[in-house]
Amino acid sequence: DQQVKQNSPSLSVQEGRISILNCDYTNSMFDYFLWYKKYPAEGPTFLISISSIKDKNEDGRFTVFLNKSAKHLSLHIVPSQPGDSAVYFCAAGNKLVFGAGTILRVKS
Amino acid sequence: EAQVTQNPRYLITVTGKKLTVTCSQNMNHEYMSWYRQDPGLGLRQIYYSMNVEVTDKGDVPEGYKVSRKEKRNFPLILESPSPNQTSLYFCASSLSVSPYNEQFFGPGTRLTVL
Repeated sequence: DQQVKQNSPSLSVQEGRISILNCDYTNSMFDYFLWYKKYPAEGPTFLISISSIKDKNEDGRFTVFLNKSAKHLSLHIVPSQPGDSAVYFCAAGNKLVFGAGTILRVKS
Repeated sequence: EAQVTQNPRYLITVTGKKLTVTCSQNMNHEYMSWYRQDPGLGLRQIYYSMNVEVTDKGDVPEGYKVSRKEKRNFPLILESPSPNQTSLYFCASSLSVSPYNEQFFGPGTRLTVL
């Protein structure tokens, strides 16, 4: 059973608009969450993280929101740019349990 | 340049022919791990190592072996590869096992087992 789920395999957004990527988790013991970004033919790279003591963390165009009661987190990208087109993985826990990933396409 | 390197990047082999995928990092990281990425399943951890001579199973260790004789190297060994091990493999390293320490990933090795 997957402990971290990204239910949208793909998302297409117009350049300049907001991209919202979602992630759900089942293990209430998870206290740290991360987003990784992956371009084709490259390894994943760290994007942004959030601790369970917070409900929001912002870094430039990227903001991660955490709703502990719903066991849900989301990544907002505003404004979206064509260079943001990649696979985004949500991860959680000490040893990083990953979701299946969401392919984001930003159209110019 | 700080990096994690993997070799080979692409490999096509046949069932039962032993192979090794090498992984090396130049950041003096203690923690290293191997993942496989499959469609719809994300990245799943195969094995990890907390330090030299300390290795442990991840979530999908069957059919794989690892060793950590030196801090910088963490090879992944498939003694008798099978078609269900066809996948994209990533090596990663970080200062320690804590998620607060960023994990750095290698570029990936695409393995096809016929």
